[in-house]
Amino acid sequence: DAGVIQSPRHEVTEMGQEVTLRCKPISGHNSLFWYRQTMMRGLELLIYFNNNVPIDDSGMPEDRFSAKMPNASFSTLKIQPSEPRDSAVYFCASNAGMGARQPQHFGDGTRLSIL
Amino acid sequence: GQQVMQIPQYQHVQEGEDFTTYCNSSTTLSNIQWYKQRPGGHPVFLIQLVKSGEVKKQKRLTFQFGEAKKNSSLHITATQTTDVGTYFCADSTGNQFYFGTGTSLTVIP
Repeated sequence: DAGVIQSPRHEVTEMGQEVTLRCKPISGHNSLFWYRQTMMRGLELLIYFNNNVPIDDSGMPEDRFSAKMPNASFSTLKIQPSEPRDSAVYFCASNAGMGARQPQHFGDGTRLSIL
Repeated sequence: GQQVMQIPQYQHVQEGEDFTTYCNSSTTLSNIQWYKQRPGGHPVFLIQLVKSGEVKKQKRLTFQFGEAKKNSSLHITATQTTDVGTYFCADSTGNQFYFGTGTSLTVIP
């Protein structure tokens, strides 16, 4: 079975540019999670969706960040405008069930560098 | 918000030595999950503990959930170089989900 698929794997862009990260969850999973990982802050939950509906976005840093899940097989995380402090690895994860009580399956991540 | 603290932050061991990481919370946890992240990789689910005092084993790995459900531990017996990585506990109480700070394990051959 295909796992969680994220694209791009790497992104390098200049500050001020719009960045869009993409995620395809595992088929049949109804919860999707976006995380950010840095050395300083560790692994942080940004937002999670259940049945395509955002349930908790309290981890989204600020208005520059937005996430959508237009259907069960696709989600995006957008940063506009991007800043150097947004540089991090962004992971998408999915699981079957409500919330995080079921094991989460992570994608390979997007390594984002904002210059 | 909920905070799950892990100790130690880093651990270097000689191959063959044992290793333990501890996860502590100031509040009662509904359940705890453990993940392993290899260098350059993504977190991979290892196990979930739900019951007070629960102990589970996976080969050389032993997971425990405290009686008060406020702490958990992961013990690796006779470490191997394949055990290298960062081990995270994660709390999934309610609709919130928090990863611990992680313990980075280095195994010296």
